[in-house]
This record gives sequence, structure tokens and C-alpha cells, in this order.
Amino acid sequence: DAGVIQSPRHEVTEMGQEVTLRCKPISGHNSLFWYRQTMMRGLELLIYFNNNVPIDDSGMPEDRFSAKMPNASFSTLKIQPSEPRDSAVYFCASRHRAYNEQFFGPGTRLTVL
Amino acid sequence: AQKVTQAQTEISVVEKEDVTLDCVYETRDTTYYLFWYKQPPSGELVFLIRRNSFDEQNEISGRYSWNFQKSTSSFNFTITASQVVDSAVYFCALSEETSGSRLTFGEGTQLTVNP
Repeated sequence: DAGVIQSPRHEVTEMGQEVTLRCKPISGHNSLFWYRQTMMRGLELLIYFNNNVPIDDSGMPEDRFSAKMPNASFSTLKIQPSEPRDSAVYFCASRHRAYNEQFFGPGTRLTVL
Repeated sequence: AQKVTQAQTEISVVEKEDVTLDCVYETRDTTYYLFWYKQPPSGELVFLIRRNSFDEQNEISGRYSWNFQKSTSSFNFTITASQVVDSAVYFCALSEETSGSRLTFGEGTQLTVNP
């Protein structure tokens, strides 16, 4: 059974460019989460969806960040325009409605120059 | 507000030693869930265990064991006879029933097992 899939695995871009991160949750899971990991702030939740609907986006840093989940098998996290302080590892995770544990993808390492 | 504290930033042991990673949590909810995740050098986050607040029974899985004590708000993780492959960052996390599904992570403990 495939786990959570994220792409790209690595992204290097220049300040001001648009960045789009992609996530495919585990089939049958109804909740999807975006986390960011940095040395300074550790692991923090950005936003999560239940049944494709955004439930809590209080962790989204600012208007430059946006996330969508057009269907049950795909989500995007977009940063426009990107800044060097956005450099981090971005994780996507999914959860089945019957359980509480979240399963994480391999992460996208973003570097903004 | 929910909070997780892992006071041990780094631990270094020699192979075959036992090691315990501490986790202390804060919550106002009566229903909550506790988790441990492992992050090896390759970077992925691997789910290890979930514990419900109403189930204080300790659990053992091979060389891993977990001690959940509501009286001290702790959920400690012990590795018996540690191995080099156990070297990783270990995160404790908390999810409250009233906060939906969000996970609050501790700062993590870097465990290094030396041969």
C-alpha cells in the first residue's frame, strides 16, 4: 500500500518566485495536514482539511501561503512570492477517520535563495 | 492550550545500553491522544505508537516500551538494548479532542547510539 506521496522532494528557488508543493494522501484517508519543520520553530501545523474542506488554517504564516484540496486524493501548498525565511522542510500527513494517528510523507525540502 | 515538553535535547549512549526518552504534556482536555514519532537521518517521520488518555496500560513492542502516567502527565519511551539503527530524533506529540486533529509536537530528542 502506498504511503503519502509528496513532490517535489527538493526545491530550490529564488526569492520572489512562486512555489507549489504537492501531496497525495493515503487512499481512504479523509484528513490531510500540512506541517513545516525548521530548526527555530520545530514542527508546526500550517493547515488541515477534513473531507477536502479546510478546517484550521491558523498556522498559515501569512497571505503569501495558500492551500487547496480539490479532491480526496490531491492537495497543494502554494507560496507566492517566496522569501528566504520560507526555507524549511514541508510535510504532508494524512489520517483515517477511524484512527487518530497521522502518517507522514517524505517531505519537501524547500530552499529559497 | 496544549503543550509538549521533551527536556532532553540530546542523548548519547553506547550500543546495548537501555535509554529512556522523557515526555511531559499539558492539556485541559479529559480526552486526548499521545504519540511518538521517529525521524531518522533520512528525514521522514515514522509513526511508532498512539495512546488514548483513557488507557493507561503500558505497552511493549519488541525492544520498545512506553510508560504512560496521567498522574505526572508523562509518556516516556524506553529502548532496551539500543542499537546503532535507533539513532534518530524522537518526537512526542499530543492531540486534544477539542482541538480537532492537530498534533502539537515536542522539541524532539536527538538520540545517538554509538557502536
